[in-house]
Amino acid sequence: DVQMTQSPSSLSASVGDRVTITCRASLGIRSDLSWYQQKSGKAPKRLIYAASTLQSGVPSRFRGSGSGTEFTLTISSLQPEDVATYYCLQHNSYPIFTFGPGTKVDLK
Amino acid sequence: QVTLRESGPALVKPTQTLTLTCTFSGFSLSTSGMSVSWIRQPPGKGLEWLALIDGGDDKQYRRSLRTRLTISKDTSKNQVVLTMTDMDPVDTATYFCARTTASPPNYYYDGMDVWGQGTTVTVSS
Repeated sequence: DVQMTQSPSSLSASVGDRVTITCRASLGIRSDLSWYQQKSGKAPKRLIYAASTLQSGVPSRFRGSGSGTEFTLTISSLQPEDVATYYCLQHNSYPIFTFGPGTKVDLK
Repeated sequence: QVTLRESGPALVKPTQTLTLTCTFSGFSLSTSGMSVSWIRQPPGKGLEWLALIDGGDDKQYRRSLRTRLTISKDTSKNQVVLTMTDMDPVDTATYFCARTTASPPNYYYDGMDVWGQGTTVTVSS
């Protein structure tokens, strides 16, 4: 089964900082990866799909990149409303869907 | 507008069977590329995909829970039902349903674009 890892597991950054989260797959998964933002007590929200396609309505400061086994979510200028936990999700290899363990982002 | 809403018991006893219903609107499972997934999240932990069903009644399950899970649909009611047998306190979690899409031309999955608010289930005697 494909395994997903994320790094870092948590980070603290200042408003306006550039934030980068990395997701790695144990097997190649083409670009079959999406990113989700989950704020405390809320359902997850999809930010990016197909590794780099921005979900409609999501601010352009969010960017996804990568393919194969290594993927990146970048927030170009962190805003207070971006405090959340971020998850990657692979949807290529059986079992069909595997989430990464998550990266918690908060403000310094 | 696409919406999904989970419903079910808030409390179940160990060894009981949990039945959760996802009622959705704004799309049809009969449309190509449409599926519904169930995902859960134990308190303070990460997300765990459980099962998926599509309009053709194809079903996929998490390998480690395959023997305990059953997913089904009632297309006329726009509902997807998940049952989980032999509940244990470790199954205490918030359970979400989410629309899951696959796009042409190859219909590879895109992930979950719309989620329900979730329903919290506690397993305790």
